[in-house]
Amino acid sequence: SYELTQPPSVSVSPGQTASITCSGDKLGSKYASWYQQKPGQSPVLVIYQDDRRPSGIPERFSGSKSANTATLTISGTQAMDEADYYCQAWDSRIWVFGGGTKLTVL
Amino acid sequence: QVQLVESGGGVVQPGQSLRLSCAASGFTFSDFPIHWVRQAPGKGLEWVAVISHDGSNKYYADSVKGRFTISRDNSKNTLHLQMNSLTDEDTAMYYCANAVGWGQGTLVTFSS
Repeated sequence: SYELTQPPSVSVSPGQTASITCSGDKLGSKYASWYQQKPGQSPVLVIYQDDRRPSGIPERFSGSKSANTATLTISGTQAMDEADYYCQAWDSRIWVFGGGTKLTVL
Repeated sequence: QVQLVESGGGVVQPGQSLRLSCAASGFTFSDFPIHWVRQAPGKGLEWVAVISHDGSNKYYADSVKGRFTISRDNSKNTLHLQMNSLTDEDTAMYYCANAVGWGQGTLVTFSS
Protein backbone atom coordinates (compact mmCIF):
# COMPACT_ATOMS: atom_id res chain seq x y z
CA SER A 1 0.00 0.00 0.00
CA TYR A 2 1.05 3.56 -0.65
CA GLU A 3 2.81 5.39 2.19
CA LEU A 4 3.71 8.98 2.98
CA THR A 5 6.52 9.68 5.45
CA GLN A 6 6.70 12.72 7.72
CA PRO A 7 9.06 13.54 10.60
CA PRO A 8 7.28 12.91 13.93
CA SER A 9 8.19 16.30 15.31
CA VAL A 10 9.56 19.69 14.33
CA SER A 11 10.47 22.54 16.67
CA VAL A 12 10.71 26.22 15.77
CA SER A 13 11.19 29.49 17.61
CA PRO A 14 8.50 32.16 17.32
CA GLY A 15 9.05 34.34 14.26
CA GLN A 16 11.26 31.77 12.54
CA THR A 17 10.48 29.56 9.56
CA ALA A 18 9.22 26.02 10.05
CA SER A 19 9.47 23.39 7.33
CA ILE A 20 7.70 20.04 7.41
CA THR A 21 8.45 17.45 4.75
CA CYS A 22 6.40 14.63 3.31
CA SER A 23 7.92 12.00 1.07
CA GLY A 24 6.40 9.20 -0.93
CA ASP A 25 7.04 7.08 -3.97
CA LYS A 26 5.88 8.88 -7.12
CA LEU A 27 4.57 11.78 -5.02
CA GLY A 28 5.94 13.97 -7.77
CA SER A 29 3.09 12.80 -10.00
CA LYS A 30 0.37 13.31 -7.38
CA TYR A 31 -1.09 16.37 -5.73
CA ALA A 32 -0.23 16.90 -2.06
CA SER A 33 -2.44 18.57 0.50
CA TRP A 34 -1.67 19.64 4.06
CA TYR A 35 -3.96 19.71 7.07
CA GLN A 36 -3.53 21.43 10.41
CA GLN A 37 -5.14 19.85 13.47
CA LYS A 38 -5.21 21.45 16.90
CA PRO A 39 -6.13 19.45 20.02
CA GLY A 40 -9.81 18.61 20.17
CA GLN A 41 -10.52 20.05 16.72
CA SER A 42 -11.14 18.67 13.24
CA PRO A 43 -8.39 18.94 10.64
CA VAL A 44 -8.30 22.15 8.61
CA LEU A 45 -6.99 22.27 5.05
CA VAL A 46 -4.09 24.74 4.78
CA ILE A 47 -2.59 23.78 1.41
CA TYR A 48 -4.02 21.87 -1.56
CA GLN A 49 -2.72 20.93 -5.01
CA ASP A 50 0.85 21.21 -3.71
CA ASP A 51 0.98 24.98 -3.30
CA ARG A 52 -2.49 26.49 -3.32
CA ARG A 53 -3.83 28.15 -0.21
CA PRO A 54 -7.57 28.07 0.61
CA SER A 55 -9.27 31.34 1.35
CA GLY A 56 -8.87 32.35 4.96
CA ILE A 57 -5.51 30.64 5.42
CA PRO A 58 -2.76 33.14 6.33
CA GLU A 59 -0.12 33.91 3.72
CA ARG A 60 2.60 32.64 6.04
CA PHE A 61 1.55 29.10 5.06
CA SER A 62 3.01 27.90 1.76
CA GLY A 63 3.56 24.60 0.02
CA SER A 64 6.05 23.31 -2.49
CA LYS A 65 7.16 20.06 -4.02
CA SER A 66 10.40 18.80 -5.47
CA ALA A 67 10.60 15.34 -6.98
CA ASN A 68 8.92 13.01 -4.46
CA THR A 69 9.02 15.34 -1.47
CA ALA A 70 6.38 17.91 -0.59
CA THR A 71 7.15 20.63 1.93
CA LEU A 72 4.90 22.78 4.09
CA THR A 73 6.59 26.02 5.08
CA ILE A 74 5.35 28.37 7.77
CA SER A 75 7.09 31.73 7.67
CA GLY A 76 7.12 33.92 10.76
CA THR A 77 5.71 31.07 12.84
CA GLN A 78 3.33 32.11 15.60
CA ALA A 79 2.39 30.38 18.82
CA MET A 80 -1.07 29.72 17.36
CA ASP A 81 0.55 27.56 14.65
CA GLU A 82 1.49 24.91 17.21
CA ALA A 83 -0.45 21.86 16.03
CA ASP A 84 -0.23 18.51 14.31
CA TYR A 85 0.22 18.67 10.55
CA TYR A 86 -0.70 15.90 8.12
CA CYS A 87 0.14 15.58 4.46
CA GLN A 88 -2.31 13.79 2.19
CA ALA A 89 -2.28 12.54 -1.38
CA TRP A 90 -4.62 10.68 -3.69
CA ASP A 91 -3.58 7.16 -4.67
CA SER A 92 -5.85 5.29 -7.08
CA ARG A 93 -9.00 7.09 -5.92
CA ILE A 94 -8.28 6.81 -2.19
CA TRP A 95 -6.80 9.25 0.30
CA VAL A 96 -3.48 8.45 1.93
CA PHE A 97 -2.23 10.36 4.97
CA GLY A 98 1.22 10.78 6.34
CA GLY A 99 1.79 9.85 9.96
CA GLY A 100 1.64 13.45 11.10
CA THR A 101 4.16 15.95 12.42
CA LYS A 102 3.83 17.69 15.76
CA LEU A 103 4.98 21.28 15.37
CA THR A 104 6.19 22.81 18.62
CA VAL A 105 6.72 26.55 18.84
CA LEU A 106 9.27 27.04 21.58
CA GLN B 1 -21.36 28.04 4.57
CA VAL B 2 -20.16 24.47 4.16
CA GLN B 3 -21.35 22.18 6.93
CA LEU B 4 -20.78 18.48 7.50
CA VAL B 5 -22.42 17.14 10.65
CA GLU B 6 -21.78 13.56 11.77
CA SER B 7 -24.01 11.58 14.10
CA GLY B 8 -24.57 8.03 15.26
CA GLY B 9 -21.48 7.38 17.33
CA GLY B 10 -21.68 5.76 20.73
CA VAL B 11 -20.51 3.03 23.05
CA VAL B 12 -20.59 -0.46 21.62
CA GLN B 13 -19.47 -3.96 22.53
CA PRO B 14 -17.29 -6.17 20.36
CA GLY B 15 -19.22 -7.75 17.50
CA GLN B 16 -21.97 -5.16 17.51
CA SER B 17 -22.99 -2.87 14.65
CA LEU B 18 -23.35 0.88 14.35
CA ARG B 19 -24.51 3.19 11.58
CA LEU B 20 -22.93 6.60 11.26
CA SER B 21 -24.50 9.45 9.30
CA CYS B 22 -23.20 12.72 7.90
CA ALA B 23 -25.56 15.54 6.95
CA ALA B 24 -24.20 18.00 4.39
CA SER B 25 -25.24 21.55 3.58
CA GLY B 26 -23.87 24.71 2.02
CA PHE B 27 -22.61 23.11 -1.18
CA THR B 28 -23.85 20.86 -3.98
CA PHE B 29 -23.46 17.51 -2.23
CA SER B 30 -23.93 15.42 -5.38
CA ASP B 31 -20.97 17.09 -7.11
CA PHE B 32 -18.31 15.58 -4.86
CA PRO B 33 -16.96 12.23 -3.78
CA ILE B 34 -16.93 12.03 -0.01
CA HIS B 35 -14.84 10.12 2.51
CA TRP B 36 -14.89 8.71 6.00
CA VAL B 37 -11.66 9.25 7.94
CA ARG B 38 -11.03 8.07 11.48
CA GLN B 39 -8.61 8.93 14.23
CA ALA B 40 -7.94 6.64 17.16
CA PRO B 41 -7.22 8.38 20.49
CA GLY B 42 -3.76 9.97 20.35
CA LYS B 43 -3.09 8.63 16.86
CA GLY B 44 -2.96 9.97 13.32
CA LEU B 45 -5.56 10.19 10.61
CA GLU B 46 -6.61 6.95 8.91
CA TRP B 47 -8.62 6.95 5.70
CA VAL B 48 -11.57 4.53 5.92
CA ALA B 49 -13.70 4.70 2.78
CA VAL B 50 -14.78 6.85 -0.15
CA ILE B 51 -17.86 6.95 -2.36
CA SER B 52 -18.06 8.61 -5.75
CA HIS B 53 -20.31 11.58 -6.35
CA ASP B 54 -23.13 9.42 -7.72
CA GLY B 55 -22.58 6.42 -5.44
CA SER B 56 -21.50 4.12 -8.25
CA ASN B 57 -17.99 3.51 -6.95
CA LYS B 58 -16.88 2.69 -3.42
CA TYR B 59 -13.45 1.94 -1.99
CA TYR B 60 -12.38 0.78 1.44
CA ALA B 61 -9.27 0.53 3.58
CA ASP B 62 -8.10 -3.05 4.05
CA SER B 63 -8.75 -2.73 7.79
CA VAL B 64 -12.50 -2.35 7.27
CA LYS B 65 -13.13 -4.14 3.97
CA GLY B 66 -15.97 -6.64 4.29
CA ARG B 67 -17.20 -5.14 7.57
CA PHE B 68 -18.02 -1.52 6.70
CA THR B 69 -20.32 -0.24 3.94
CA ILE B 70 -20.40 3.35 2.72
CA SER B 71 -23.51 4.75 1.06
CA ARG B 72 -25.05 8.09 0.18
CA ASP B 73 -28.47 9.58 -0.51
CA ASN B 74 -28.02 12.60 -2.76
CA SER B 75 -31.73 13.46 -2.48
CA LYS B 76 -31.19 13.99 1.26
CA ASN B 77 -27.58 15.25 1.16
CA THR B 78 -26.61 12.47 3.51
CA LEU B 79 -23.70 10.04 3.80
CA HIS B 80 -23.75 6.84 5.82
CA LEU B 81 -21.29 4.31 7.16
CA GLN B 82 -22.66 0.94 8.24
CA MET B 83 -20.16 -0.67 10.57
CA ASN B 84 -20.53 -4.36 11.41
CA SER B 85 -18.46 -6.81 13.47
CA LEU B 86 -16.88 -3.97 15.40
CA THR B 87 -13.74 -4.56 17.43
CA ASP B 88 -11.95 -2.36 19.92
CA GLU B 89 -9.50 -1.47 17.15
CA ASP B 90 -12.37 0.51 15.57
CA THR B 91 -12.41 2.89 18.54
CA ALA B 92 -11.94 6.33 17.03
CA MET B 93 -13.38 9.68 16.13
CA TYR B 94 -15.01 9.28 12.72
CA TYR B 95 -15.05 12.25 10.35
CA CYS B 96 -16.81 12.73 7.05
CA ALA B 97 -14.77 14.89 4.72
CA ASN B 98 -14.43 16.03 1.16
CA ALA B 99 -12.66 18.67 -0.87
CA VAL B 100 -14.73 21.46 0.69
CA GLY B 101 -14.59 20.58 4.35
CA TRP B 102 -14.60 18.25 7.32
CA GLY B 103 -17.20 17.56 9.96
CA GLN B 104 -16.62 17.81 13.69
CA GLY B 105 -16.59 14.02 14.07
CA THR B 106 -18.59 11.42 15.93
CA LEU B 107 -16.96 9.19 18.54
CA VAL B 108 -17.13 5.40 18.58
CA THR B 109 -15.90 3.77 21.76
CA PHE B 110 -16.06 0.33 23.33
CA SER B 111 -17.33 -0.66 26.72
CA SER B 112 -14.98 -2.83 28.72
